[in-house]
Order: sequence, then structure tokens, then C-alpha cells
Amino acid sequence: ELKVEQNPLFLSMQEGKNYTIYCNYSTTSDRLYWYRQDPGKSLESLFVLLSNGAVKQEGRLMASLDTKARLSTLHITAAVHDLSATYFCAVVGGTSYGKLTFGQGTILTVHP
Amino acid sequence: DSGVTQTPKHLITATGQRVTLRCSPRSGDLSVYWYQQSLDQGLQFLIQYYNGEERAKGNILERFSAQQFPDLHSELNLSSLELGDSALYFCASSGGQGGRHTIYFGEGSWLTVV
Repeated sequence: ELKVEQNPLFLSMQEGKNYTIYCNYSTTSDRLYWYRQDPGKSLESLFVLLSNGAVKQEGRLMASLDTKARLSTLHITAAVHDLSATYFCAVVGGTSYGKLTFGQGTILTVHP
Repeated sequence: DSGVTQTPKHLITATGQRVTLRCSPRSGDLSVYWYQQSLDQGLQFLIQYYNGEERAKGNILERFSAQQFPDLHSELNLSSLELGDSALYFCASSGGQGGRHTIYFGEGSWLTVV
């Protein structure tokens, strides 16, 4: 059974600082997603990582994928308050590309 | 706005009742997925349909069923509702233009069972 674990689960950051969220998964997969969720809202797609060594960046967020280590990272650069949200990684399991197994989520709070 | 439309947004119903959640996928998307988000279980995949046919099944209870119609909209039927079914139910879609790998989520339907 595919398991996805994120750490940390809670992250309190100061504005301007850098930090990384880690996503480990238990079985082979070549497709990993990062989503952002504001409280009570939908899941906003941030990145889709499709191959080993894939790196994608958007604004202050950068995601990478190491399929051999079964690890993805979401790096936050110079955090700002607007980045406060819950971040989920999700991994494709099996042959259905829509069958995502989600991590527990990382609740990020950015303080002034 | 992801382009995935879900109705109703909020629903309160009593135990033992049956409800239907509706989803319209993004234009051109053939795949529709249903997910459940609750505090104790997190985000869980329920079921996928592709162009009207069931493609994959997850942790969907026997009391729940879904279908996708010829116009590609989908419905999730929840019956004999229990308190534990209270959750946020998401529909998602993919497979159309604008990034076929991306899976787009709707705003969700909040279900409260009392």
C-alpha cells in the first residue's frame, strides 16, 4: 500500500526566511503533485513533477523530485504572509493517474 | 477558478438520509475523480470515471455510488448517511487541454450529517 508522509506537519516561519517541506513516499511512482489549500477552500495545483530530477519553480516556491530516493521537496524562499496555507504532496499510485495518495499536509504559518 | 463546478456547496442532512453531489468537469476533460476530505482520514480518493466508465476505485463505501453521464458530468450518491460521513467532498477533473497531467479540483461540497 502506497504511503505518503510529509514533514514537518506544522511550520511556523518568519517573513523573509527560507524553509523546506519534505515529502516521502513508499513505493515507486513517477508522478508527484503539490497542492495548496487555504482554510475551507479548494486545492490549488502548484506543481506536477513527472520525472526523476524534475525541478519546477513558481515565484517563491520551488519543487523537486528524486524518484530513486522517493522524495520530493518544496522549498520556500523569503517567505511572505500570503504563503500561509496548508501544502499537500500527492503521489500517483497504480495505473490510474488520477488516483492520488495524499500526504497529511503541512500547515504553514508565516509571521511578520 | 479551476473550471470544475460542484453543487451544492453546503448540505446539512440527517442520519439515514440520501444525498446526491453533482460535478461538472472542466471543458474537454474526460476524467472525473471524487475525493473525500475529513479531519480524521485526510484526503482520500474515492472513485474515478473516464468518459462514462469506471476506471479506478479507492476507499469508497458500499453505501456510496457514482456515475458519469454522456455529457461528462458526474454525480456522487451517498446513502444511509452516518455522522462519520460528514466531510468535504471534492470533485476533480483532468485529461483536457491546458496541461493534461494537471488534476484540477472543484470548490467542494460540504456535507454535514446531524
